[in-house]
Amino acid sequence: GENVEQHPSTLSVQEGDSAVIKCTYSDSASNYFPWYKQELGKGPQLIIDIRSNVGEKKDQRIAVTLNKTAKHFSLHITETQPEDSAVYFCAAIPLNRDDKIIFGKGTRLHILP
Amino acid sequence: EADIYQTPRYLVIGTGKKITLECSQTMGHDKMYWYQQDPGMELHLIHYSYGVNSTEKGDLSSESTVSRIRTEHFPLTLESARPSHTSQYLCASSEDPPGGNGYTFGSGTRLTVV
Repeated sequence: GENVEQHPSTLSVQEGDSAVIKCTYSDSASNYFPWYKQELGKGPQLIIDIRSNVGEKKDQRIAVTLNKTAKHFSLHITETQPEDSAVYFCAAIPLNRDDKIIFGKGTRLHILP
Repeated sequence: EADIYQTPRYLVIGTGKKITLECSQTMGHDKMYWYQQDPGMELHLIHYSYGVNSTEKGDLSSESTVSRIRTEHFPLTLESARPSHTSQYLCASSEDPPGGNGYTFGSGTRLTVV
């Protein structure tokens, strides 16, 4: 079955710098890759997603890249701000696997003042 | 506004008590899920449902049970709470077709069993 590895588990970045979180997946049939942000005391919220027919997607300060050949996908946050501090989860949805999302284990991002 | 609601947000209860965690969504999604989130952040799927009268156990074994009598409602019940059940419980829903637009999560219930 699908397996999603996420690194790093903790990331500290100076405010204004960029943050990158990387994930790998094992099932080459996976075709949808969402990213979730979980703030303290809240449930995870979808912040950006990418489908397997696209290599990159941007939304203001966040971007996601996908390398299907290497089975890698990454979240990039530029010009980080204090409100970016949260836990981030990558995920993959394998085609024809009951559409259950397979989550990475999460990255705790700290934005340092 | 379409959303997913969980109640209560926080619950402290004594060992042996029966509890029900409520989850309701207004989006008409057929698929609903319960996750248990440990202090280390990882999300563990404990139950899911593909529609009314459909319930399945997830990847992590759980002593809880669920029911799906109405599309919008997916409650989770613990017949006899124990300290080992202390955790954050998250409910989510998703639309068809498979892959759709991902999951929509509720804000969670933080359960403490003393």
